[in-house]
Amino acid sequence: EVQVVQSGTEVKKPGSTVQISCKVSGYIFTEYFVHWVYQAPGKGLEWMGLIDPADGATMYTARFQGRVTISADTSKETIYLEFNSVTSEDTAVYYCVPEVPYDLRLDPWGQGTLVTVSS
Amino acid sequence: DIVMTQSPLSLPVTPGEPASITCRSSQSLLHSNGYNYLDWYVQKPGQSPKLLIYLASDRASGVPDRFSGSGSGTNFTLKISRVEAEDVGIYYCMQALQMWTFGQGTKVEV
Repeated sequence: EVQVVQSGTEVKKPGSTVQISCKVSGYIFTEYFVHWVYQAPGKGLEWMGLIDPADGATMYTARFQGRVTISADTSKETIYLEFNSVTSEDTAVYYCVPEVPYDLRLDPWGQGTLVTVSS
Repeated sequence: DIVMTQSPLSLPVTPGEPASITCRSSQSLLHSNGYNYLDWYVQKPGQSPKLLIYLASDRASGVPDRFSGSGSGTNFTLKISRVEAEDVGIYYCMQALQMWTFGQGTKVEV
């Protein structure tokens, strides 16, 4: 059974660096891409980017390109999402979700990590 | 970028009655392999999103058969044959053909 467990809530000041993590299990780590999805308070889902853990290749949507970095640690079977310098617009819940090969479905989703940016 | 447009954005439903949500894409989601890369997800109150339908019409494991997906190209539909109270939530379509983009979401409420 595939399982996805994300790190806990973060409260940060503007300009801080934030790293959240996503531990996956139940499949061969390097065989599934992993995606991150952004959800601002009371808003819809927005795709941020993904990583291929096999080679570390990443892809980001324009809004998040250059502002966040997705990385993977194969020894820990963990994916990371790091923000360079957070602003209030980064206050959101972030979801990690593996992509099943071939049919590209995103399943299952992690429980989400709330990041609150406040001075 | 492919833009996904859902309608309606709010859908009042009555338990036992059918319901449907439409999703339109700005470009065809039909791949040369014959598959439409369109998924449906539901986010129930206070929960993470969950996969319902993938490749436009394949029901995910454990999803009740009252949920069905149809469509091809740029027009897709999610149908609930008989709504149950537990179906309340926000339903999103998502395309996976070029990058990944979600629709705005449709709030289903009893």
